[in-house]
Amino acid sequence: DSGVTQTPKHLITATGQRVTLRCSPRSGDLSVYWYQQSLDQGLQFLIQYYNGEERAKGNILERFSAQQFPDLHSELNLSSLELGDSALYFCASSPGGGGPYEQYFGPGTRLTVT
Amino acid sequence: AQKITQTQPGMFVQEKEAVTLDCTYDTSDQSYGLFWYKQPSSGEMIFLIYQGSYDEQNATEGRYSLNFQKARKSANLVISASQLGDSAMYFCAMRGTGFQKLVFGTGTRLLVSP
Repeated sequence: DSGVTQTPKHLITATGQRVTLRCSPRSGDLSVYWYQQSLDQGLQFLIQYYNGEERAKGNILERFSAQQFPDLHSELNLSSLELGDSALYFCASSPGGGGPYEQYFGPGTRLTVT
Repeated sequence: AQKITQTQPGMFVQEKEAVTLDCTYDTSDQSYGLFWYKQPSSGEMIFLIYQGSYDEQNATEGRYSLNFQKARKSANLVISASQLGDSAMYFCAMRGTGFQKLVFGTGTRLLVSP
């Protein structure tokens, strides 16, 4: 158990819909990262938050957005869903915004868009 | 930009034998970190081992060791005394200077047979 929690574990929804994925980092960790794992793209970084502020952005679509709240949990919002958004979405956390910190991953949310 | 290459799509090993999973990387950064993660069929990403670019000793964690050859830009994972529970996908990843996002390779599927 990494200490990072993600809900829900599975999500099935239809094209055009909007969903919210939730992540709670390990106790004491200030950084949260979101990654997408799909068969065709592999594991890709989406976005990082550090202590409530956006720190880095990767290949995140405009239809996707995220935020980190004062209690440090984070939410990833996916809207106008397409079939190609079906993937495993991971949240990871680390203690700092910089430095040689390992990233510990949550169990993931498997999103299926039908 | 960072790039990770894992050239072995699949590896087979017998129980109790050692196995080496290859990873080469490309970066122009002087300071970087290298990681290995295990992903069992259940889907979670399990952190195994970390090597910093300035670490002089190869990292070890139990049965896992990282064979770090900086001049060759390789960071191979060695699993000693393989166990059936080691059957999984293994991902090599790196983080560059000033960037906390992880860049992942395409993974190697390891199958341990009795």
